[in-house]
Amino acid sequence: EAGVAQSPRYKIIEKRQSVAFWCNPISGHATLYWYQQILGQGPKLLIQFQNNGVVDDSQLPKDRFSAERLKGVDSTLKIQPAKLEDSAVYLCASSLIIGPGEQGRNTIYFGEGSWLTVV
Amino acid sequence: GENVEQHPSTLSVQEGDSAVIKCTYSDSASNYFPWYKQELGKRPQLIIDIRSNVGEKKDQRIAVTLNKTAKHFSLHITETQPEDSAVYFCAASKTGGGNKLTFGTGTQLKVEL
Repeated sequence: EAGVAQSPRYKIIEKRQSVAFWCNPISGHATLYWYQQILGQGPKLLIQFQNNGVVDDSQLPKDRFSAERLKGVDSTLKIQPAKLEDSAVYLCASSLIIGPGEQGRNTIYFGEGSWLTVV
Repeated sequence: GENVEQHPSTLSVQEGDSAVIKCTYSDSASNYFPWYKQELGKRPQLIIDIRSNVGEKKDQRIAVTLNKTAKHFSLHITETQPEDSAVYFCAASKTGGGNKLTFGTGTQLKVEL
Protein backbone atom coordinates (compact mmCIF):
# COMPACT_ATOMS: atom_id res chain seq x y z
CA GLU A 1 0.00 0.00 0.00
CA ALA A 2 1.40 3.41 -0.97
CA GLY A 3 1.95 5.81 1.90
CA VAL A 4 1.39 9.51 2.29
CA ALA A 5 3.45 11.38 -0.29
CA GLN A 6 4.89 14.83 0.29
CA SER A 7 6.99 17.26 -1.70
CA PRO A 8 9.36 18.93 -1.66
CA ARG A 9 11.33 17.04 1.00
CA TYR A 10 13.64 19.96 1.71
CA LYS A 11 13.34 23.68 1.19
CA ILE A 12 15.51 26.62 2.22
CA ILE A 13 14.06 30.11 1.80
CA GLU A 14 14.78 33.58 3.07
CA LYS A 15 12.45 35.24 5.54
CA ARG A 16 9.54 37.05 3.95
CA GLN A 17 9.58 34.68 0.98
CA SER A 18 6.79 32.23 0.28
CA VAL A 19 6.75 28.44 0.10
CA ALA A 20 4.22 25.77 -0.74
CA PHE A 21 4.10 22.12 0.26
CA TRP A 22 2.10 19.41 -1.44
CA CYS A 23 0.57 16.26 0.01
CA ASN A 24 -1.11 13.22 -1.50
CA PRO A 25 -2.78 11.08 1.17
CA ILE A 26 -3.27 7.34 1.17
CA SER A 27 -5.88 6.39 -1.40
CA GLY A 28 -9.37 6.44 0.03
CA HIS A 29 -8.46 8.34 3.18
CA ALA A 30 -11.07 11.01 3.78
CA THR A 31 -9.27 12.84 6.54
CA LEU A 32 -6.08 14.80 5.93
CA TYR A 33 -3.93 16.62 8.48
CA TRP A 34 -1.05 19.07 8.40
CA TYR A 35 1.21 19.01 11.45
CA GLN A 36 4.14 21.27 12.28
CA GLN A 37 7.05 19.66 14.10
CA ILE A 38 9.70 22.00 15.45
CA LEU A 39 13.03 20.36 16.25
CA GLY A 40 12.90 18.60 19.62
CA GLN A 41 9.13 18.87 19.97
CA GLY A 42 6.11 16.74 19.24
CA PRO A 43 3.99 17.40 16.16
CA LYS A 44 1.37 20.13 16.48
CA LEU A 45 -1.81 20.08 14.41
CA LEU A 46 -2.16 23.06 12.06
CA ILE A 47 -5.23 22.07 10.08
CA GLN A 48 -7.49 19.08 9.53
CA PHE A 49 -9.69 18.36 6.51
CA GLN A 50 -12.58 15.96 6.14
CA ASN A 51 -12.85 15.45 2.38
CA ASN A 52 -12.55 19.05 1.14
CA GLY A 53 -13.96 20.74 4.25
CA VAL A 54 -11.99 22.16 7.16
CA VAL A 55 -12.66 20.40 10.48
CA ASP A 56 -10.15 22.22 12.66
CA ASP A 57 -7.81 25.10 11.88
CA SER A 58 -7.69 26.63 15.34
CA GLN A 59 -3.89 26.48 15.54
CA LEU A 60 -3.17 27.68 12.01
CA PRO A 61 -1.56 31.16 11.92
CA LYS A 62 -4.01 32.43 9.36
CA ASP A 63 -2.18 35.71 8.77
CA ARG A 64 0.57 33.80 7.00
CA PHE A 65 -0.48 30.17 6.59
CA SER A 66 -3.14 28.84 4.26
CA ALA A 67 -4.14 25.36 3.15
CA GLU A 68 -6.57 23.89 0.72
CA ARG A 69 -7.88 20.53 -0.38
CA LEU A 70 -10.02 21.49 -3.34
CA LYS A 71 -11.01 18.07 -4.70
CA GLY A 72 -10.91 16.20 -1.42
CA VAL A 73 -7.69 14.37 -2.28
CA ASP A 74 -4.39 16.29 -2.59
CA SER A 75 -3.66 19.24 -0.35
CA THR A 76 -1.37 22.25 -0.43
CA LEU A 77 -0.01 24.17 2.56
CA LYS A 78 1.34 27.66 1.87
CA ILE A 79 3.36 30.02 4.02
CA GLN A 80 3.56 33.68 2.99
CA PRO A 81 5.54 35.55 4.21
CA ALA A 82 7.79 33.11 6.06
CA LYS A 83 9.37 33.93 9.40
CA LEU A 84 12.46 32.44 11.03
CA GLU A 85 10.28 30.63 13.57
CA ASP A 86 8.53 28.75 10.77
CA SER A 87 11.63 26.56 10.40
CA ALA A 88 10.26 23.09 11.07
CA VAL A 89 9.20 19.83 9.50
CA TYR A 90 5.73 19.97 8.01
CA LEU A 91 4.12 16.58 8.27
CA CYS A 92 1.10 15.61 6.25
CA ALA A 93 -0.97 12.71 7.55
CA SER A 94 -4.17 10.93 6.67
CA SER A 95 -6.70 8.55 8.16
CA LEU A 96 -9.49 6.46 6.72
CA ILE A 97 -12.16 7.87 8.97
CA ILE A 98 -12.57 10.50 11.61
CA GLY A 99 -13.39 9.66 15.22
CA PRO A 100 -14.03 6.19 16.65
CA GLY A 101 -14.69 3.11 14.64
CA GLU A 102 -13.35 -0.33 13.97
CA GLN A 103 -9.88 -0.94 15.24
CA GLY A 104 -7.36 0.78 13.06
CA ARG A 105 -9.80 2.69 10.88
CA ASN A 106 -8.96 5.99 12.53
CA THR A 107 -5.22 5.31 12.63
CA ILE A 108 -3.26 8.32 11.46
CA TYR A 109 -0.46 7.65 8.97
CA PHE A 110 2.26 10.25 8.46
CA GLY A 111 4.26 11.23 5.41
CA GLU A 112 8.03 11.67 5.50
CA GLY A 113 7.64 15.40 5.97
CA SER A 114 8.83 18.57 4.26
CA TRP A 115 11.80 20.13 5.99
CA LEU A 116 11.71 23.93 5.91
CA THR A 117 14.61 26.17 6.86
CA VAL A 118 13.99 29.91 6.90
CA VAL A 119 17.15 32.00 6.91
CA GLY B 1 -7.70 21.95 25.39
CA GLU B 2 -5.87 18.70 25.96
CA ASN B 3 -2.35 18.78 27.41
CA VAL B 4 -0.07 15.75 27.30
CA GLU B 5 3.08 15.57 29.38
CA GLN B 6 5.75 12.96 28.73
CA HIS B 7 8.67 11.75 30.83
CA PRO B 8 11.56 11.24 30.69
CA SER B 9 12.84 13.37 27.86
CA THR B 10 15.85 11.09 27.43
CA LEU B 11 16.32 7.48 28.44
CA SER B 12 19.41 5.34 28.13
CA VAL B 13 19.28 1.59 28.74
CA GLN B 14 21.52 -1.37 28.18
CA GLU B 15 20.60 -3.82 25.47
CA GLY B 16 18.25 -6.44 26.87
CA ASP B 17 16.93 -4.21 29.65
CA SER B 18 13.40 -2.84 29.81
CA ALA B 19 12.40 0.74 29.07
CA VAL B 20 9.36 2.58 30.40
CA ILE B 21 8.02 5.91 29.15
CA LYS B 22 5.19 7.65 30.96
CA CYS B 23 2.59 10.16 29.83
CA THR B 24 -0.18 12.05 31.59
CA TYR B 25 -3.14 13.77 29.99
CA SER B 26 -5.47 16.47 31.22
CA ASP B 27 -8.77 15.90 29.42
CA SER B 28 -10.78 13.11 31.07
CA ALA B 29 -12.79 12.76 27.84
CA SER B 30 -9.74 11.53 25.92
CA ASN B 31 -10.26 7.91 24.93
CA TYR B 32 -7.63 7.01 22.35
CA PHE B 33 -3.91 6.85 23.11
CA PRO B 34 -1.43 5.95 20.36
CA TRP B 35 2.34 5.71 20.60
CA TYR B 36 4.56 6.71 17.69
CA LYS B 37 8.21 5.90 17.04
CA GLN B 38 10.25 8.38 15.03
CA GLU B 39 13.74 7.58 13.83
CA LEU B 40 16.03 10.43 12.88
CA GLY B 41 14.81 12.11 9.73
CA LYS B 42 11.93 9.67 9.32
CA ARG B 43 8.17 9.84 9.67
CA PRO B 44 6.43 9.06 12.96
CA GLN B 45 5.16 5.49 12.81
CA LEU B 46 2.42 4.02 14.94
CA ILE B 47 3.75 1.19 17.09
CA ILE B 48 0.82 0.52 19.42
CA ASP B 49 -2.37 2.16 20.57
CA ILE B 50 -4.95 1.67 23.29
CA ARG B 51 -8.54 2.71 23.76
CA SER B 52 -10.05 3.71 27.06
CA ASN B 53 -12.14 0.57 27.39
CA VAL B 54 -8.94 -1.47 27.76
CA GLY B 55 -6.39 -1.32 30.59
CA GLU B 56 -3.48 -3.01 28.88
CA LYS B 57 -2.42 -4.11 25.43
CA LYS B 58 0.60 -6.10 24.30
CA ASP B 59 2.30 -6.66 20.98
CA GLN B 60 5.39 -8.85 21.25
CA ARG B 61 8.00 -6.81 23.17
CA ILE B 62 5.82 -3.72 23.43
CA ALA B 63 3.01 -3.09 25.88
CA VAL B 64 0.93 -0.10 26.84
CA THR B 65 -0.98 0.37 30.09
CA LEU B 66 -3.70 2.90 30.81
CA ASN B 67 -4.95 4.22 34.15
CA LYS B 68 -8.04 6.31 33.43
CA THR B 69 -8.51 7.34 37.03
CA ALA B 70 -5.05 8.81 37.28
CA LYS B 71 -5.10 9.93 33.62
CA HIS B 72 -1.80 8.41 32.73
CA PHE B 73 -0.56 5.78 30.31
CA SER B 74 2.80 4.15 29.82
CA LEU B 75 4.81 2.41 27.12
CA HIS B 76 6.84 -0.62 28.13
CA ILE B 77 9.53 -2.10 25.90
CA THR B 78 11.12 -5.35 27.06
CA GLU B 79 14.35 -6.96 25.88
CA THR B 80 15.45 -3.73 24.22
CA GLN B 81 17.53 -3.89 21.07
CA PRO B 82 19.71 -1.26 19.36
CA GLU B 83 17.05 -0.81 16.67
CA ASP B 84 14.65 0.39 19.36
CA SER B 85 16.75 3.57 19.60
CA ALA B 86 14.52 6.43 18.43
CA VAL B 87 12.26 9.20 19.70
CA TYR B 88 8.94 7.96 21.07
CA PHE B 89 5.85 10.16 21.22
CA CYS B 90 2.67 9.54 23.13
CA ALA B 91 -0.56 11.18 22.05
CA ALA B 92 -4.19 11.48 23.05
CA SER B 93 -7.45 12.20 21.29
CA LYS B 94 -11.16 11.91 22.01
CA THR B 95 -14.44 11.07 20.39
CA GLY B 96 -15.98 14.25 19.07
CA GLY B 97 -12.56 15.84 18.95
CA GLY B 98 -12.24 15.14 15.27
CA ASN B 99 -9.46 12.60 15.73
CA LYS B 100 -7.16 15.48 16.67
CA LEU B 101 -4.03 14.09 18.27
CA THR B 102 -2.27 16.07 20.98
CA PHE B 103 1.31 14.85 21.24
CA GLY B 104 3.70 14.70 24.16
CA THR B 105 7.13 16.27 23.87
CA GLY B 106 8.90 13.01 23.06
CA THR B 107 11.41 10.67 24.69
CA GLN B 108 14.79 10.02 23.12
CA LEU B 109 15.52 6.36 23.82
CA LYS B 110 19.07 5.12 23.40
CA VAL B 111 19.81 1.42 23.67
CA GLU B 112 23.48 0.85 24.35
CA LEU B 113 25.40 -2.30 23.49
